[in-house]
Amino acid sequence: AQSVTQPDIHITVSEGASLELRCNYSYGATPYLFWYVQSPGQGLQLLLKYFSGDTLVQGIKGFEAEFKRSQSSFNLRKPSVHWSDAAEYFCAVGSSNTGKLIFGQGTTLQVKP
Amino acid sequence: DTEVTQTPKHLVMGMTNKKSLKCEQHMGHRAMYWYKQKAKKPPELMFVYSYEKLSINESVPSRFSPECPNSSLLNLHLHALQPEDSALYLCASSQDGALARETQYFGPGTRLLVL
Repeated sequence: AQSVTQPDIHITVSEGASLELRCNYSYGATPYLFWYVQSPGQGLQLLLKYFSGDTLVQGIKGFEAEFKRSQSSFNLRKPSVHWSDAAEYFCAVGSSNTGKLIFGQGTTLQVKP
Repeated sequence: DTEVTQTPKHLVMGMTNKKSLKCEQHMGHRAMYWYKQKAKKPPELMFVYSYEKLSINESVPSRFSPECPNSSLLNLHLHALQPEDSALYLCASSQDGALARETQYFGPGTRLLVL
């Protein structure tokens, strides 16, 4: 069965520091991968997605993610974090069997001034 | 315009009340979704409508009743809810149907409190 693992439940970084959020997936073929961000009490906003092609994907708000098939990973990165990036981040894979989005458990990002 | 709107933003209801949540999108999308989200957890899929027909019901209790009057509108009718149903209810839509490659666009949610 397809699954998504976000190993880090909570991450704290200083403003201006670089960020990497980890995501590992379990899926046989090329997956459809997504990163969403959710600010407190809000809906989910798509940051970026990967279907095929260039394995380094650029998204909104200065985020990027790299698909590594050999490691079954799709880690999210940002070179310099802003205080407004504090939020919950969800990695997800689209299930080709059902069309459902399978979410990881999420990573809470806290940004220190 | 990639906006999905939801009303109301907040809702407080008693266990004997009947209320409805409303979701609207004007992107021409043909799939619409209801999710339930508890604090610090990922969204849990409840229902999917594809081309105005219910295609997925994730074994949701009958006190939740979805309705899709047209391709732009999605309602969730609530009746005799339990306190454990208190959560953020999210609506989403996608372009062509519930397909793996489809990007789902989420609304801001309705925060529901059941007393």
